[in-house]
Formats: sequence, structure tokens, C-alpha cells
Amino acid sequence: DVKVTQSSRYLVKRTGEKVFLECVQDMDHENMFWYRQDPGLGLRLIYFSYDVKMKEKGDIPEGYSVSREKKERFSLILESASTNQTSMYLCASSRDRGLTDTQYFGPGTRLTVL
Amino acid sequence: AQSVTQLDSHVSVSEGTPVLLRCNYSSSYSPSLFWYVQHPNKGLQLLLKYTSAATLVKGINGFEAEFKKSETSFHLTKPSAHMSDAAEYFCVVSDQGSSGSARQLTFGSGTQLTVLP
Repeated sequence: DVKVTQSSRYLVKRTGEKVFLECVQDMDHENMFWYRQDPGLGLRLIYFSYDVKMKEKGDIPEGYSVSREKKERFSLILESASTNQTSMYLCASSRDRGLTDTQYFGPGTRLTVL
Repeated sequence: AQSVTQLDSHVSVSEGTPVLLRCNYSSSYSPSLFWYVQHPNKGLQLLLKYTSAATLVKGINGFEAEFKKSETSFHLTKPSAHMSDAAEYFCVVSDQGSSGSARQLTFGSGTQLTVLP
């Protein structure tokens, strides 16, 4: 089974702090994704990566950056956390870029910014 | 551009009665469509996906969905609800995306299913 793990289930940070969310997948997948999930809005794509050191902006990249130094690891960075970034963050991975390819999700990190 | 509309934010059914979760989509291309489920405090799990083969798709746990191109719909059904089906369900469309260079998923806003004893 594909396993996607995220470094923390719950995280509390203060406004202005730099925040790192880590995601690791163990199935040698090419593609990795970061979403945020908010009530009534579903999941929205922040950034994604189709290869090591490669990244593309999703629908809501403002205030975020990412890093993919190794194939199995994809990090989401909040350079200066703000209260409107309080949310559930979900990481996903998929094997290839086909339209039918399934994305596998981690359990999520619930981030609270005070 | 692609979009997904889940017509009901909340659905309540009694155990043993049918489930219908409604989803409409729009897409500039021939899309793939998915239903994911999220149980409390757990990650999203794929229920089923439509990939332009059979229009009636069967998934896990007795769920199925029918792709209707003329109605741009992909409704999720189950003949008999079980207490363990209580969860949030997301309809998802996949196509080229606005960048044109990569596949992107667009999620609906979710439908919370409550199953009453």
C-alpha cells in the first residue's frame, strides 16, 4: 500500500513565524501535491511538483513556497505565518501525470496560527 | 477551466435506505472524475473513478456512480446506507488545468453524510 506521511498532525504557531510542513511518500511516486482544506471550500491546490527540484503554482500559492530536494519528500513553507493560514493541510502523491491517475493522501496537518 | 458543484452540503439518511450524493461538473476537456471519502480525523480515500470506459462505475463499500455527459453529472449512490458510511464525500474532476501543462484536480466543496440509526 502507498503510504504518505506528514510530520505533524497538529501544529500551533505564532504570527510571523516560519513554518515547515513535511511530507514523505514511500512508493517512488513522481508527483507530489500540497492542498489546504477549509470548511465549505473543499480542497484547494497550493503547489505541486512533478520532479525533484521542480515546482509549479497551484490555485492559491500566495504566502507559501515549497521545496523538493529528494523524490520522496515535499516540504511546504510558510515564510511568515498569518492567521488566515490557519487550516488543514493535506499532502498527496501520484505515480504519473495521466488524467486517470489516483492521488494518495496523507492524514493531514491541522495548523493553527495565533 | 474546470469546476465541480456538489449540490448538497449535508445529506441525512436512515440506516438501510438509499444514498444519493449529487455532483455536477464543467470541463473544457474530456475529464476524469473521482469520488473521495474522508472519515473524521483521517485522510482522503478514493471511492471510485471514471476514466472514459464504462459510464457506470463501481467502487468500494458498495458505492457506485454514473457518468452522464449530457447532464454533466456524476452522482454517487449506494442502495443501502450503513452507519460506517457517515463521512464527508468529495467529487473531483481532473483535466489539463489552466496552465495547460499538467493535470490538476479540482475538488467540490464536499457533502457531509449523516446516517441515522
